[in-house]
Amino acid sequence: QKEVEQDPGPLSVPEGAIVSLNCTYSNSAFQYFMWYRQYSRKGPELLMYTYSSGNKEDGRFTAQVDKSSKYISLFIRDSQPSDSATYLCAMNSGGYQKVTFGTGTKLQVIP
Amino acid sequence: DVKVTQSSRYLVKRTGEKVFLECVQDMDHENMFWYRQDPGLGLRLIYFSYDVKMKEKGDIPEGYSVSREKKERFSLILESASTNQTSMYLCASSFLRVRGSLSYEQYFGPGTRLTVT
Repeated sequence: QKEVEQDPGPLSVPEGAIVSLNCTYSNSAFQYFMWYRQYSRKGPELLMYTYSSGNKEDGRFTAQVDKSSKYISLFIRDSQPSDSATYLCAMNSGGYQKVTFGTGTKLQVIP
Repeated sequence: DVKVTQSSRYLVKRTGEKVFLECVQDMDHENMFWYRQDPGLGLRLIYFSYDVKMKEKGDIPEGYSVSREKKERFSLILESASTNQTSMYLCASSFLRVRGSLSYEQYFGPGTRLTVT
């Protein structure tokens, strides 16, 4: 079993929809959670960074962590065609620099 | 803006060749990382370095070596390239600490797509 599981998609939504992207994990020691966005043929770019449980909002993006369920989510409101990309979750247990990545979910926002 | 640059976007090499991939960051980050990214397997850590001349093996170090002679530069070396090393190679960097706490926010370069024939 992988430490981090992420549905690869693709996920297709109409422009303006609310998008929900999710990851589950098995390592209860994970405390730091990140979401990266990767456009085609580019490197990942950091979108959101959260510590422990709770919500964090940044513009149209909201990151949610539920440590009791070992489940993290990224919500995108009013989705735009420019949001079309692969979204990777990533996490770390703290005290060591290695980050464990999900395999990514490909999102397509249809105009 | 953080800038991580990689020496080539696309590279084609023959089996058995020695291959050098270079990465440079301009943010004075202590940590630097090399990953490979393959469909269905995601990002896998090859090596990382937390200081000049220091290196640590990641999950898949076999067939690779690294060099960090200067803080801003981290090189990945394929001693004898093989076809199963055809992949997208991504370099990343990060601060060791931010505001006193360990940092896990990594900044990535654009990637090098390596094809070994």
